[in-house]
Amino acid sequence: DGGITQSPKYLFRKEGQNVTLSCEQNLNHDAMYWYRQDPGQGLRLIYYSQIVNDFQKGDIAEGYSVSREKKESFPLTVTSAQKNPTAFYLCASSPLGMGQPQHFGDGTRLSIL
Amino acid sequence: AQSVTQPDIHITVSEGASLELRCNYSYGATPYLFWYVQSPGQGLQLLLKYFSGDTLVQGIKGFEAEFKRSQSSFNLRKPSVHWSDAAEYFCAGSVGSQGNLIFGKGTKLSVKP
Repeated sequence: DGGITQSPKYLFRKEGQNVTLSCEQNLNHDAMYWYRQDPGQGLRLIYYSQIVNDFQKGDIAEGYSVSREKKESFPLTVTSAQKNPTAFYLCASSPLGMGQPQHFGDGTRLSIL
Repeated sequence: AQSVTQPDIHITVSEGASLELRCNYSYGATPYLFWYVQSPGQGLQLLLKYFSGDTLVQGIKGFEAEFKRSQSSFNLRKPSVHWSDAAEYFCAGSVGSQGNLIFGKGTKLSVKP
């Protein structure tokens, strides 16, 4: 079955450490997205990409970085510059075009040790 | 500014009772509108979407939503709630070709036996 796989499900970060969250999709979607979810805050867009080797900042990109070397993969790195990284991170993908619904992975919960 | 508002943070209904979750949007043009559901620790699942045409949209799991342009609303309804419907529900909208979604902050639904 096609879908989006996020790994790991739980991740712990030490102070000053960078960590990378994986997102892989086999839906053949061109667009991919990263969201951060905090209780009572809804979903906030971190980065998105519509084509390989290109990506754009979302609303809260500071302290995060991404790459899009393959259509299927869109990893997110939470850098040490992100001072409050504890959150639930969701990856999504969609076809290009107006009004296309996004499909979501099951998320990664990141906590600080 | 574009926005999606869900006025109710938490709603409790009895099993078998009807349900209506409110969503209001603010866009310069009529947006594409979506309702998603999220179980604890999981990703988001698409319930239904509105693009144009019929203002009453049917979705999965017995849900429906009605688009009302005059009220800038897209409320989600279900005639009879089941205990398994307990989850968090998100309304989202998008305009233009990029497809970026703006999410409301969510409504948590609890179901009483």
